[in-house]
Amino acid sequence: AQSVTQLGSHVSVSEGALVLLRCNYSSSVPPYLFWYVQYPNQGLQLLLKYTTGATLVKGINGFEAEFKKSETSFHLTKPSAHMSDAAEYFCAVSEDSSYKLIFGSGTRLLVRP
Amino acid sequence: IAGITQAPTSQILAAGRRMTLRCTQDMRHNAMYWYRQDLGLGLRLIHYSNTAGTTGKGEVPDGYSVSRANTDDFPLTLASAVPSQTSVYFCASSDHYRRTGDYGYTFGSGTRLTVV
Repeated sequence: AQSVTQLGSHVSVSEGALVLLRCNYSSSVPPYLFWYVQYPNQGLQLLLKYTTGATLVKGINGFEAEFKKSETSFHLTKPSAHMSDAAEYFCAVSEDSSYKLIFGSGTRLLVRP
Repeated sequence: IAGITQAPTSQILAAGRRMTLRCTQDMRHNAMYWYRQDLGLGLRLIHYSNTAGTTGKGEVPDGYSVSRANTDDFPLTLASAVPSQTSVYFCASSDHYRRTGDYGYTFGSGTRLTVV
């Protein structure tokens, strides 16, 4: 069965600094990988996804993630953090053999002025 | 506007009462899901349905039931609510005939349920 591990329940960065949110997955077959963002008291918004093709995926708001099969990772990065990036971020995985989308426990990003 | 409608938006429920959370989608997606979100635990899958007429158990199905009589509706029922079911519930859908391009999952805006 697939699973997702997000390292660090809280990550704090200064405004303008690099954002790196870590995600490792477990899957017995080629996975489909997603990053979602959730702002306070709101629903989930898709940031980016990897299904097939290029392993470096660009998303909204300047975020990108790279699928590394050898490391079973799909880390999320952004070169320069903005105050508006403060939110909770979720990594998720699904498989071709199962329609279920399985989430990690989330990482709360704090951006310091 | 295409998407998922969840109702109610929020609810306070007495323990032991029965409650049905409603979820309707207008995108003709074949698969639908129910998740609960709890602090520090992320979103956990309760039940899912790959197509109308079929359902399956997710990670935390106990105390919940679902039905999928048609493509559009996927209600979640708490037969006898307990305080540990206090959570935010999200309904989602996906179309698994499209595995590339715009393939993805659409989420509702959530139902905040408090069981007292």
